[in-house]
Amino acid sequence: AQRVTQPEKLLSVFKGAPVELKCNYSYSGSPELFWYVQYSRQRLQLLLRHISRESIKGFTADLNKGETSFHLKKPFAQEEDSAMYYCAPSRTGRRALTFGSGTRLQVQP
Amino acid sequence: GAGVSQSPSNKVTEKGKDVELRCDPISGHTALYWYRQSLGQGLEFLIYFQGNSAPDKSGLPSDRFSAERTGGSVSTLTIQRTQQEDSAVYLCASTFRGDRGLLFGQGTRLTVV
Repeated sequence: AQRVTQPEKLLSVFKGAPVELKCNYSYSGSPELFWYVQYSRQRLQLLLRHISRESIKGFTADLNKGETSFHLKKPFAQEEDSAMYYCAPSRTGRRALTFGSGTRLQVQP
Repeated sequence: GAGVSQSPSNKVTEKGKDVELRCDPISGHTALYWYRQSLGQGLEFLIYFQGNSAPDKSGLPSDRFSAERTGGSVSTLTIQRTQQEDSAVYLCASTFRGDRGLLFGQGTRLTVV
């Protein structure tokens, strides 16, 4: 079955520490991959998409086809990065975008 | 408008009653999605509309759930005979055809008592 897994429900780090939010998928083909973020009392919003190969707010995500992973990384976490993060692979042959269960990142001072 | 708008923001209803949730997408966006966000359940896909194509209803959890999109714009999600497990935040999102960069509304928090 095609699925996406975010193994950590909660990730707590100190300010300035590196962050890696894990995402593994088991979709066939070459899915398009996204990370979405929801800050406290704000709307869910797109953070980055892998085809853009961009860095947003210091975050990057590399697609590893061999490991079927799309982990989100930031070298130095900031308190304002505290939020809920969702990985979203776009399934081959399906039009709908589905999301992982999410990881809550807490950056402590 | 400034973005995707959902109404009401909050809805408390009694078990067994029907509810309607409304979504006003961004003008010109042809794709519209409904999701449900529950504690510990992440984001659950419900239904997807794309232009005049038949909607993808594969995520609707039961036949108590239905949705329509009139004139390719406003969408209404209807839940009949609500149950307590329907309590959640219902999110609407829209985008241009083929673009997976969804723009989300603020959500409707539904509480069934």
